[in-house]
Amino acid sequence: ETGVTQSPTHLIKTRGQQVTLRCSSQSGHNTVSWYQQALGQGPQFIFQYYREEENGRGNFPPRFSGLQFPNYSSELNVNALELDDSALYLCASSSGLAGSSYEQYFGPGTRLTVT
Amino acid sequence: GENVEQHPSTLSVQEGDSAVIKCTYSDSASNYFPWYKQELGKGPQLIIDIRSNVGEKKDQRIAVTLNKTAKHFSLHITETQPEDSAVYFCAAAYSGNTPLVFGKGTRLSVIA
Repeated sequence: ETGVTQSPTHLIKTRGQQVTLRCSSQSGHNTVSWYQQALGQGPQFIFQYYREEENGRGNFPPRFSGLQFPNYSSELNVNALELDDSALYLCASSSGLAGSSYEQYFGPGTRLTVT
Repeated sequence: GENVEQHPSTLSVQEGDSAVIKCTYSDSASNYFPWYKQELGKGPQLIIDIRSNVGEKKDQRIAVTLNKTAKHFSLHITETQPEDSAVYFCAAAYSGNTPLVFGKGTRLSVIA
């Protein structure tokens, strides 16, 4: 198992509400990437944080936002939840910037259900 | 942007047989190709990866091959065991710390 942890494990929210998901990166890793995995699909990149700054973003609307803290843990916030936001949210931990490291290690994910 | 196609979507093999999963990618700038195994209720687990300067890599029963000219790469699992049953994803990226673009996954079932 990786040292990446996520909380909570499961979450049920109502359409229109806001949610915050949390991720603790593996020891020694300073980069966190967030992915959304819909049922039966591969993960899709949301955004990446490196040393507390956003370092790339996928094709997701601004209501998806994030933070990274000095200890390199990270939060994903989603506002105005929609039914299509129901998915498994994964964070991946890695070290360095592009070209300096390769492996990304995933946490167990947070299963979000929007009703 | 990058697009990764993965085949087959489901694969059933008898225990002890080999399994092969194939992926193609579209962006010739991609240089890093990891494979992940995802068991039910868990996050993807990195099982093997290959970089563009290498054509083949092995780790015990698992091997990956890469053909940069044809833009395809494959995962080979030999002597399959029931615990190999899972969903396998291929991915491509410029480097490992850049966004991974995943295929849609292959559900592998190993029948005892």
